[in-house]
Amino acid sequence: KNQVEQSPQSLIILEGKNCTLQCNYTVSPFSNLRWYKQDTGRGPVSLTIMTFSENTKSNGRYTATLDADTKQSSLHITASQLSDSASYICVVSPYSSASKIIFGSGTRLSIRP
Amino acid sequence: DAGITQSPRHKVTETGTPVTLRCHQTENHRYMYWYRQDPGHGLRLIHYSYGVKDTDKGEVSDGYSVSRSKTEDFLLTLESATSSQTSVYFCAISEGGGRANVLTFGAGSRLTVL
Repeated sequence: KNQVEQSPQSLIILEGKNCTLQCNYTVSPFSNLRWYKQDTGRGPVSLTIMTFSENTKSNGRYTATLDADTKQSSLHITASQLSDSASYICVVSPYSSASKIIFGSGTRLSIRP
Repeated sequence: DAGITQSPRHKVTETGTPVTLRCHQTENHRYMYWYRQDPGHGLRLIHYSYGVKDTDKGEVSDGYSVSRSKTEDFLLTLESATSSQTSVYFCAISEGGGRANVLTFGAGSRLTVL
């Protein structure tokens, strides 16, 4: 069964610090990997999208990396801000169908002042 | 959440009653999706639509039906709600169904079945 596993489940860091969130997947082959940010009480919003041939993608203070050989991705957040408090969801799309995309259960990040 | 409106945003109902959730989009996107989100689980696809009157089942479709009579509206119906259907429901849209199309999500509808 295709799976997307994220770690840690939750993380608390101080404002201004950096952090890295992990995503391991078993979907193979796959078309693309996306990271979404979900604020409390809101729907997920796309941060980055990477195809299998890309190994890094940045969006402001967010940088996603992808190692297709080890089937791992990470999301690095630099100089965290209080507004970064949210859940971060890793999403993998297999070749088979857009309707078969698989969501990880997310990492809940809390930024403390 | 611009371009997608879900209603109602919150609903409490009793077991056995019918419930309909509505998703309305102003983006004229072809594809629309209904997901549910539960603690410890990733978002799971219930049903999706690839055009007016064209729908298909997702991973967790049992107990749910959908209808799409207009491009802009996608309805999710629970014919007889059960406590296991207590969840947050998200509607999403995409321009195409291709692998590279990004999903845009609504704000969610929180349903509690007592």
